[in-house]
Amino acid sequence: DAGVIQSPRHEVTEMGQEVTLRCKPISGHDYLFWYRQTMMRGLELLIYFNNNVPIDDSGMPEDRFSAKMPNASFSTLKIQPSEPRDSAVYFCASSFTASNEKLFFGSGTQLSVL
Amino acid sequence: KQEVTQIPAALSVPEGENLVLNCSFTDSAIYNLQWFRQDPGKGLTSLLLIQSSQREQTSGRLNASLDKSSGRSTLYIAASQPGDSATYLCAVPNAGGTSYGKLTFGQGTILTVHP
Repeated sequence: DAGVIQSPRHEVTEMGQEVTLRCKPISGHDYLFWYRQTMMRGLELLIYFNNNVPIDDSGMPEDRFSAKMPNASFSTLKIQPSEPRDSAVYFCASSFTASNEKLFFGSGTQLSVL
Repeated sequence: KQEVTQIPAALSVPEGENLVLNCSFTDSAIYNLQWFRQDPGKGLTSLLLIQSSQREQTSGRLNASLDKSSGRSTLYIAASQPGDSATYLCAVPNAGGTSYGKLTFGQGTILTVHP
């Protein structure tokens, strides 16, 4: 398996623009997570899905952030409108259904909002 | 609220040394703990996962221990190599969380192994 695949690897945009980050989890994994990493706050869980259903979005910072998982092999994280403070590395991760399993991370999307 | 602390924040050692990275957490009601490695510009790679019923896990030159009652875990790296240079993070499920995926991460230890 190719692992968790994220695109794009880098995104530079101007304040106010819409940004869409994409993720393909490992086939067979029922859980999908979106994390954000910054120097100041470290790694933060934004939202996670189980069998394509959002379970907990309490980490989503504002209504400007939204996430969808239309099927088992694809998820998006959208920011509209983007702001400079959204600049961070966004990671997608996935795992099997059973608890107590390892998390597999994608390579991340480096987002810069100017 | 679960809090995770890692000490030291950075560590620089010569190749061949054995070293220990420390992780502490405030809520001992966890059911597992994971150690991750992150290389610059890359995602995280899970190295070891210790269940709450276990005291340690080993993978090659890595050995992780867990003491739930004291809220501590250590990652032992034997015979360190320059390729071990990376940031090492520990993570535990959020206190009261129903899914292991709701992890709280430490800030990490930046390890540099020089030849």
